[in-house]
Order: sequence, then C-alpha cells, then structure tokens
Amino acid sequence: LAKTTQPISMDSYEGQEVNITCSHNNIATNDYITWYQQFPSQGPRFIIQGYKTKVTNEVASLFIPADRKSSTLSLPRVSLSDTAVYYCLAQTGFQKLVFGTGTRLLVSP
Amino acid sequence: KAGVTQTPRYLIKTRGQQVTLSCSPISGHRSVSWYQQTPGQGLQFLFEYFSETQRNKGNFPGRFSGRQFSNSRSEMNVSTLELGDSALYLCASILLGGRKETQYFGPGTRLLVL
Repeated sequence: LAKTTQPISMDSYEGQEVNITCSHNNIATNDYITWYQQFPSQGPRFIIQGYKTKVTNEVASLFIPADRKSSTLSLPRVSLSDTAVYYCLAQTGFQKLVFGTGTRLLVSP
Repeated sequence: KAGVTQTPRYLIKTRGQQVTLSCSPISGHRSVSWYQQTPGQGLQFLFEYFSETQRNKGNFPGRFSGRQFSNSRSEMNVSTLELGDSALYLCASILLGGRKETQYFGPGTRLLVL
C-alpha cells in the first residue's frame, strides 16, 4: 500500500513558480501519480496525472525522477486563486488509492 | 458532459440515526469511489465499485456500506450514526483506462451528526 508524504504548508507570492513535492514508497514503474487541488467545502479538482518522467498540461507540470520515490507538482506563475490545498495520489495498480496528507499553499500579493 | 452529482449537499442527523447518500457519476463511467474527509484525518478511502461490484474497501466499520446500481449510480449508507461521522463525504467518478484510473470528484455531501 503506497503511503505518501507532503509538506503541510507552503507560502508563495503571485507570479512565482511553486514546486510541491510528494514522497512515496512502493511505486511500481507504471503506477500513476495524480495531483488534485481542493478549495474549502468543495471536492478535489483534477490537475495532472502521469507515470513517466515529465508530464505537462496547460496548468501544471509533473516530474517523476528515475527512482520514483517522489514526484513534484510544478505550478508556473501562481496567482491568488491558486491558494488551496494540493493532494498527491499514488495509485498502486488496482489496489486502494492513497491520498497524501495535503499541502496548504498560500499565495500572497 | 455533466459532472458528478451528489445529493443531498447538506444533511443534519442525530446520533443513532442512519443516512443514505447518493452519487451519480459522469455519463459513461462505470466505477465510483467514496471518501470521507475530516479536518483531523484528511481524505480517507471508503470503498470503490465497478459494475455493481465492490472492488475495494477501506478500513471503516461495517456501519458504512455502499452499493452501485446498473445505471452506475451509487449510494452509501451509514447506520447508527456517531458524532465522529460528521464529515464531508465525497464521491468520485472514475475513468478507467487500462492500468490508469482518473477520479473526478463531486461537490460532496456535508453531514453533521448532533
């Protein structure tokens, strides 16, 4: 069962790049990592997903190093509206999906 | 496509009562999962259903149960409610693609047990 660990909180300023790292164990070569964004009293919103070295979409990038013991969500040029809790989710094959503890990102002007 | 629908959005119950929550997944998705979210415990997996069969189950007592219907809609039931069951209950509609699963969450049902 994959267990994930994230920093509890991070602070940033508008326009900066933010990198949030998730540490995980027992991740196989083709196990997926997914990142979600959650605002208060709402369901988590899908951001990005991947299992390879680097995945990029219109809002974020996901980096997974060769040892697959961690993954990093990169948010370019954050804005105030990016203030939220970010979760990484390690999918271990067809077993239970385990959420990380979540990282509370605060973006200031 | 319409997103995930959860009903009701808010619910107040008293200890000892039971409650049923409903989830309608995204059209075409045949799998749903349920999570409990509390400030102290974060997001905890309850169970996952695929084509009316429970595929995975988390570490919750038997008071928590669920089912999925032939139209993929799902319900979860909590019997003999306890104060600690107060939480945001989230349903996710799961897009399956080989080994990849992508969960799309609904807005949640906020349950308050008094």
